[in-house]
Amino acid sequence: EIVLTQSPATLSLSPGERATLSCRASQSVSSYLLWYQQKPGQAPRLLIYEASNRATGIPARFSGSGSGTDFTLTISSLEPEDFAVYYCQQRRDWPLTFGGGTKVEIK
Amino acid sequence: QVQLVQSGAEVKKPGASVKVSCKASGYTFTGYYMHWVRQAPRQGLEWMGRINADTGDTTYAQNFQDRVTITRDTSISTLYMEVIRLTSDDTAVYYCTRTRGDGDKSEFEHWGQGTLVTVSS
Repeated sequence: EIVLTQSPATLSLSPGERATLSCRASQSVSSYLLWYQQKPGQAPRLLIYEASNRATGIPARFSGSGSGTDFTLTISSLEPEDFAVYYCQQRRDWPLTFGGGTKVEIK
Repeated sequence: QVQLVQSGAEVKKPGASVKVSCKASGYTFTGYYMHWVRQAPRQGLEWMGRINADTGDTTYAQNFQDRVTITRDTSISTLYMEVIRLTSDDTAVYYCTRTRGDGDKSEFEHWGQGTLVTVSS
């Protein structure tokens, strides 16, 4: 199975700062990499699909990049509502797998 | 708009079974694949399996192959997920999801609200 490793586990930042989250795959997933945001008590929300495409209604401050095994989610300027846990997921192969998550917390 | 409404929280004893439902509305139920994802307390997300809502064809994660069954009833646009031989490790929130596109591995754009299943003696 394809293992996704996210780093860092926790990112402590202030509103207005730039957040850079990493996701590394154990083998190439091409561009079949997705990003989700999850807030406490809520279901995950799709942010980015195919590594770099924003899902419907996602603000432009969220961007994704990468291909193969190394991917990045960037939040250009953190808004108060962006403090949450972020997961990457690959859809290149069965079983579908998720990374362990990065928590973006207020510094 | 697309809505996925799941059944309520369950408390089960070890060794029992649980069946969670997910009522879909706002789209053609048979036009998409549906998946189940679970999340143990304070843990990450774990994919369990998927079903072609049209044909009923299923694929499961190996961890769940022997204990999980995903079915659907197209007449009432409802998805089901049953887990047998429950243990405390099955305590989790279970989510149904619908893909964004019509492929079986398409991203999860729509999610149910989650169903907490607690396994405790």
